[in-house]
Amino acid sequence: DAKTTQPNSMESNEEEPVHLPCNHSTISGTDYIHWYRQLPSQGPEYVIHGLTSNVNNRMASLAIAEDRKSSTLILHRATLRDAAVYYCILRAHSPGSARQLTFGSGTQLTVLP
Amino acid sequence: KAGVTQTPRYLIKTRGQQVTLSCSPISGHRSVSWYQQTPGQGLQFLFEYFSETQRNKGNFPGRFSGRQFSNSRSEMNVSTLELGDSALYLCASSRTEETQYFGPGTRLLVL
Repeated sequence: DAKTTQPNSMESNEEEPVHLPCNHSTISGTDYIHWYRQLPSQGPEYVIHGLTSNVNNRMASLAIAEDRKSSTLILHRATLRDAAVYYCILRAHSPGSARQLTFGSGTQLTVLP
Repeated sequence: KAGVTQTPRYLIKTRGQQVTLSCSPISGHRSVSWYQQTPGQGLQFLFEYFSETQRNKGNFPGRFSGRQFSNSRSEMNVSTLELGDSALYLCASSRTEETQYFGPGTRLLVL
């Protein structure tokens, strides 16, 4: 699996936007960019994924660079509940393929009140 | 819709014993994956089952095994427990290639 690089930690103020970066310079054409987060004492939780175009859902937005070598997860208004470790993961999607996720060390997001 | 459930949530065992953990996937999900999470190694893939067949396996010793039943429920077994097996064991189920849904995990402590 192609490797991703994320900052170890980031801080944000409550109710402000948060931009979490991820570098993936060796991404292949079939790799989707997935984001999961893990809140304290819980299992990881799916956040969003995309291939080439920017994506939005109720939790976040995903901005993907034109060359796909980097992406940014955007939380539009951080809340205390968003404090978690955020993982950027690359995965190829193909029917019948194994579905394992390869987790890196992620970014620990701290939200300050 | 009920989420992924794992039992037990907490477990204490001693070295040399064996343990069986259980995972019930979301209804309709046929793929179940298992992960181990430790402070030192982070989240590591153990194995994946799909329609009762192991489809992929991570880099873990043969002491770690699993199986999946016809109702998609899955169990993982660790034999001859070692101190280093103390970890949070997470189960995830999926219906498509896109998204995995994780359970709350089973925290295993080996003394």
